[in-house]
Amino acid sequence: EAQVTQNPRYLITVTGKKLTVTCSQNMNHEYMSWYRQDPGLGLRQIYYSMNVEVTDKGDVPEGYKVSRKEKRNFPLILESPSPNQTSLYFCASSSTGREQFFGPGTRLTVL
Amino acid sequence: SQQGEEDPQALSIQEGENATMNCSYKTSINNLQWYRQNSGRGLVHLILIRSNEREKHSGRLRVTLDTSKKSSSLLITASRAADTASYFCATDPLRGQNFVFGPGTRLSVLP
Repeated sequence: EAQVTQNPRYLITVTGKKLTVTCSQNMNHEYMSWYRQDPGLGLRQIYYSMNVEVTDKGDVPEGYKVSRKEKRNFPLILESPSPNQTSLYFCASSSTGREQFFGPGTRLTVL
Repeated sequence: SQQGEEDPQALSIQEGENATMNCSYKTSINNLQWYRQNSGRGLVHLILIRSNEREKHSGRLRVTLDTSKKSSSLLITASRAADTASYFCATDPLRGQNFVFGPGTRLSVLP
């Protein structure tokens, strides 16, 4: 089944404790992206990747890191999480210029 | 960066009625996409319309695109309670790969 998976689905952590949210797709898509969704603000793009070893900043990259060592994986790293990073996070993938497939979301709470 | 803006922010209709949502954006695009999100879940792609297309249909969905006005509309005909969700437009810009989502329209279809 074609899908985008994210782990964990729910995470509660404390300020400053490094964490990684994994994202994997099995559709051989070149393009992958991370978004955060906050009430009243819609989805905002954090980082995106056009292909392996190619990443670029989206609208809200501060406090986040990503890597694209393999085509299927695109982890999101929060080196020192802060409460303002409490949000619902989505990973997505697509072939260039086509529709995006979204993962189920990761609900992160930073205390 | 450009921004998609949906209008209205919320819409409540009776089952069987039509629902129309509008989206405006600011810069030139390759395509515009509409997505649906059921409460807190991942977004699901509905329809993609390219910049050289003016209208597109998919089942009960009809999308129009006016590039001169930088606007699009999504029409859902004969709505059902299962159409209750948030609807987002997303623009794939002509330059760069920074997808931009609007804040969404929350549609409630009452039985």
